[in-house]
Amino acid sequence: NAGVIQTPRHKVTGKGQEATLWCEPISGHSAVFWYRQTIVQGLEFLTYFRNQAPIDDSGMPKERFSAQMPNQSHSTLKIQSTQPQDSAVYLCASSLDSRTGGREVFFGKGTRLTVV
Amino acid sequence: GDQVEQSPSALSLHEGTGSALRCNFTTTMRAVQWFRKNSRGSLINLFYLASGTKENGRLKSAFDSKERYSTLHIRDAQLEDSGTYFCAAEWGGGLSGKLTFGEGTQVTVIS
Repeated sequence: NAGVIQTPRHKVTGKGQEATLWCEPISGHSAVFWYRQTIVQGLEFLTYFRNQAPIDDSGMPKERFSAQMPNQSHSTLKIQSTQPQDSAVYLCASSLDSRTGGREVFFGKGTRLTVV
Repeated sequence: GDQVEQSPSALSLHEGTGSALRCNFTTTMRAVQWFRKNSRGSLINLFYLASGTKENGRLKSAFDSKERYSTLHIRDAQLEDSGTYFCAAEWGGGLSGKLTFGEGTQVTVIS
């Protein structure tokens, strides 16, 4: 079990450019989450998919941020026209998300995004 | 909104001693997880509790959803226990399994 895999581990983009972050959840996990970590805000929930369907995107900034899960083995978080305040560690997580299998969430190592 | 209040924000422990971290919740939570952030920034799973207590080596955790708190006890602290510990709670209602995190406790074990 390789755990949740996130690529790239580090990304530097120029202000105004687009950034796409990739996540491969643990095989068999039906729930996929995206979080953002900053020094000021701590760990913040962004969005959540279950069985590839978007369930809760209440934490996503309304503009420039979008997340997709085109198949059960990967999800992407896209940030258009990146701004310096988007600099953060973006964490992907997954869980079995079932009554019998439990809902323990496992995190990837994150992608550190730096917007210059 | 849902809040998780974690205390203390920082803790120094001498090797061999113990202490407790606590998280209070402002509403009923379905479950709680405890993590340690290691030196490389990865979140390491320590415990997942929907109720009661769990123990793993020198760590023990308890969760009382009715009283709205969870604790993490460290005993016989070792240098490798240093790191930032986070509790994260799952709200009791709805479909969302999202976690709300505490602000973390920076634990430093000194020899």
